[in-house]
Amino acid sequence: QVQLVQSAAEVKKPGASVKVSCKASGYTFTSYDINWVRQATGQGLEWMGWTNPKSGSIGYAQNFQGRVTMTRDTSISTVYMELSSLRSEDTAVYYCARGPSGNDNYYMDVWGQGTTVTVSS
Amino acid sequence: SSELTQDPAVSVALGQTVRITCQGDSLRSYYASWYQLKPGQAPVLVIYDKNNRPSGIPDRFSGSSSGNTASLTITGAQAEDEADYYCNSRDSSGNHLVFGGGTKLTVL
Repeated sequence: QVQLVQSAAEVKKPGASVKVSCKASGYTFTSYDINWVRQATGQGLEWMGWTNPKSGSIGYAQNFQGRVTMTRDTSISTVYMELSSLRSEDTAVYYCARGPSGNDNYYMDVWGQGTTVTVSS
Repeated sequence: SSELTQDPAVSVALGQTVRITCQGDSLRSYYASWYQLKPGQAPVLVIYDKNNRPSGIPDRFSGSSSGNTASLTITGAQAEDEADYYCNSRDSSGNHLVFGGGTKLTVL
């Protein structure tokens, strides 16, 4: 079945970086974008950015420009999201989600299970 | 601040109909998608392309759009529909996505 499986929870100190992985299976990896979305404690959903696994093109939300890096390894159908200079406000559940490449009317139809990142000294 | 605006909370009596709205300029050009979020679970897509339901989503969920407003309607709300609902669409530039602030639905 189509699924996205994310890496395990992480605990990081302020100022450190975290790298979360998202492994796709059950579909052609290069046919869909992968988006990253987070939900901080008590907050709403926040879109962080996307990557097109086929072309490698990326787009980051303005709030994360300069701190986030999204990469992919097509040989293992995996996308990575690295967030640097972590602060307590980055404590959140991070999700990857599949989206239809090139669609004007966009949506995210398959979601990973979420990875909890805790930033604490 | 979000480019998509939702009411923070809405309530509905069991079995009645409720509409959740999402406003934003980009909705004049792009359809919204809608997500259901329950505590401890990943978001679930419930409506896309204005009024399409993914497989497994009950037909009591429907979507519509007019001008700068997208709506999610639940006809005959059930207890299990109690959740937070988020709209999502491209932003005004068209190059990025943005979520609404979310609407907490309470089923009474």
